[in-house]
Amino acid sequence: EVQLVQSGAEVKKPGESLKISCKASGYSFTTYWIGWVRQMPGKGLEWMTIIYPGDSDTRYSPSFQGQVTISADKSLSTAYLQWSSLKASDTAMYYCARQSDTARRYAFDIWGHGTMVTVSS
Amino acid sequence: DIQMTQSPSSLSASVGDRVAITCRASQTISSYLNWYQQKPGKAPKLLIYGASSLQSGVPSRFSGSGSGTDFTLTISNLQPEDFATYYCQQSSRTPQTFGQGTRLDIK
Repeated sequence: EVQLVQSGAEVKKPGESLKISCKASGYSFTTYWIGWVRQMPGKGLEWMTIIYPGDSDTRYSPSFQGQVTISADKSLSTAYLQWSSLKASDTAMYYCARQSDTARRYAFDIWGHGTMVTVSS
Repeated sequence: DIQMTQSPSSLSASVGDRVAITCRASQTISSYLNWYQQKPGKAPKLLIYGASSLQSGVPSRFSGSGSGTDFTLTISNLQPEDFATYYCQQSSRTPQTFGQGTRLDIK
């Protein structure tokens, strides 16, 4: 079964660092882009960033460039999203999702269950 | 960035109704338009990719149309499980932006 399993909910203080994970299974991790999508409480979906684990090529939305870092470990079939200094405004649900191939017009066809990040003093 | 504008923002309908949700791109995206369904507390689910292709396992009452800048998601014979929020997304260029969402409620 193709699936993405995300790490658990996090509660952090402003200024702290954080790295959340997304473990892929059931497909060739290195041959599909994988990305992160933010959903703030009660709000819509925001495309953040994607990575191609095969060569670590990355793309960022200008809204998130410099605010987060995406990475991937091929040996663990795991993608990561990290912050060096969290803000209260980073409080949100974060989904990882696999980007499909050209036949499916690069849609996000497989989604993780989400990781809730709460930043509060 | 390509801006995606959905309408309406919310919609009330009854079981058995046919509804349409539209999505407009700020520039042409060919058929690189996808539709997702999200239920409360759940991850989004891909319904339609490439503007009109049904994702495997999705009921045939869902259909998509359009190309260029204007797209439509149509749901025929609404079922109780269809009441959710729907998002369009363009995958033509990064960042692959989403529409603001359309909430479909039971009338």
